[in-house]
Amino acid sequence: AQSVTQLDSQVPVFEEAPVELRCNYSSSVSVYLFWYVQYPNQGLQLLLKYLSGSTLVKGINGFEAEFNKSQTSFHLRKPSVHISDTAEYFCAVDAQGGSEKLVFGKGTKLTVNP
Amino acid sequence: DTGVSQNPRHKITKRGQNVTFRCDPISEHNRLYWYRQTLGQGPEFLTYFQNEAQLEKSRLLSDRFSAERPKGSFSTLEIQRTEQGDSAMYLCASSPWTDSYEQYFGPGTRLTVT
Repeated sequence: AQSVTQLDSQVPVFEEAPVELRCNYSSSVSVYLFWYVQYPNQGLQLLLKYLSGSTLVKGINGFEAEFNKSQTSFHLRKPSVHISDTAEYFCAVDAQGGSEKLVFGKGTKLTVNP
Repeated sequence: DTGVSQNPRHKITKRGQNVTFRCDPISEHNRLYWYRQTLGQGPEFLTYFQNEAQLEKSRLLSDRFSAERPKGSFSTLEIQRTEQGDSAMYLCASSPWTDSYEQYFGPGTRLTVT
């Protein structure tokens, strides 16, 4: 069965600093990988997805992630964060490599301080 | 495009009562998903529909839970004889077509069972 581990439950950073949110997955089959963001009192919003092709994936709001098959990782990065990036971030894997049923990690709370 | 809507946004009920939630997906999205999110956890898959057909149900979905999508548009999730352990955020998502790998989430219905 697929699973996702988000290694940090909380990440505090200062505005304009770079950030990396870590995600590792386990799967016995090919996977599709996703990052979602959840702002307070809002639904989850897709940031980016990896299906195939280039291992560096660019998403919305200046975020990018790199798929590393050998390390089974899909870390999310942003070179310079803003106060408005404060939110909860979820890494997810497609459970059966095509069913579109998502398995989520527990989330990482990113807090950007002035 | 008004997004995925869910009603009610909050529901407080006493243990043993039945509750029903409604999800209105984005117009013409043929896939609809239900997830449950408890405090400190990521969303967990419950069930999904393609048009009006319910294609998969999680083991998390006990016999007290039932979901319908009668005309392939809106969906309802009913919980009978609620228990305190049912307290959670219930999330609905829709996607436009098979293999789109983009799920659009609603804001959720927060259920509190007292």
